Amino acid sequence: LAKTTQPISMDSYEGQEVNITCSHNNIATNDYITWYQQFPSQGPRFIIQGYKTKVTNEVASLFIPADRKSSTLSLPRVSLSDTAVYYCLVGARGDYGGFKTIFGAGTRLFVKA
Amino acid sequence: EAQVTQNPRYLITVTGKKLTVTCSQNMNHEYMSWYRQDPGLGLRQIYYSMNVEVTDKGDVPEGYKVSRKEKRNFPLILESPSPNQTSLYFCASSSPGNNEQFFGPGTRLTVL
Repeated sequence: LAKTTQPISMDSYEGQEVNITCSHNNIATNDYITWYQQFPSQGPRFIIQGYKTKVTNEVASLFIPADRKSSTLSLPRVSLSDTAVYYCLVGARGDYGGFKTIFGAGTRLFVKA
Repeated sequence: EAQVTQNPRYLITVTGKKLTVTCSQNMNHEYMSWYRQDPGLGLRQIYYSMNVEVTDKGDVPEGYKVSRKEKRNFPLILESPSPNQTSLYFCASSSPGNNEQFFGPGTRLTVL
């Protein structure tokens, strides 16, 4: 799996849009970008996955530039309940869990009132 | 309900006393993994399994054993626990071709 680099922590206020960027310079042609969210004392939860351009679901958007060497998770209008750790993973589709999987330290997002 | 279950949820034990943490999933997933989580270090993979009788080491396998005799179960065994294995442990399962792993509720282990 490709190595990823994310900010260690970020602060925001309720109602703001939050963008968390992940760098993955060594991404391979068949790699996908996947983001997980983890609340304290809970297991991570899948948020979104993409290969290129933009992906949007009910929780977040994922922006991937043409060179795919980075990606940005966008959380619209965050609330206090979005305070969590966010992990960026890069790997071939279906690689996770059945192969070596690297979560890294993630980005700790703290949303303030 | 589709889920991954772990038992026990909390365990306090002493150095050297063998223990097993069970993990079971009801989604017929081929892939299963064990992770440990320590403050500031994120999630680190201990062992993973592609299918029954197929397991391999993750990043931090020292001091742990696993077995995969049935598709739904993937127990984590600590033959001789030490204090540095005090951690929060998560089991996860997933399917081939799908990057969504489903995680269990976690097991908080303290080794004195």
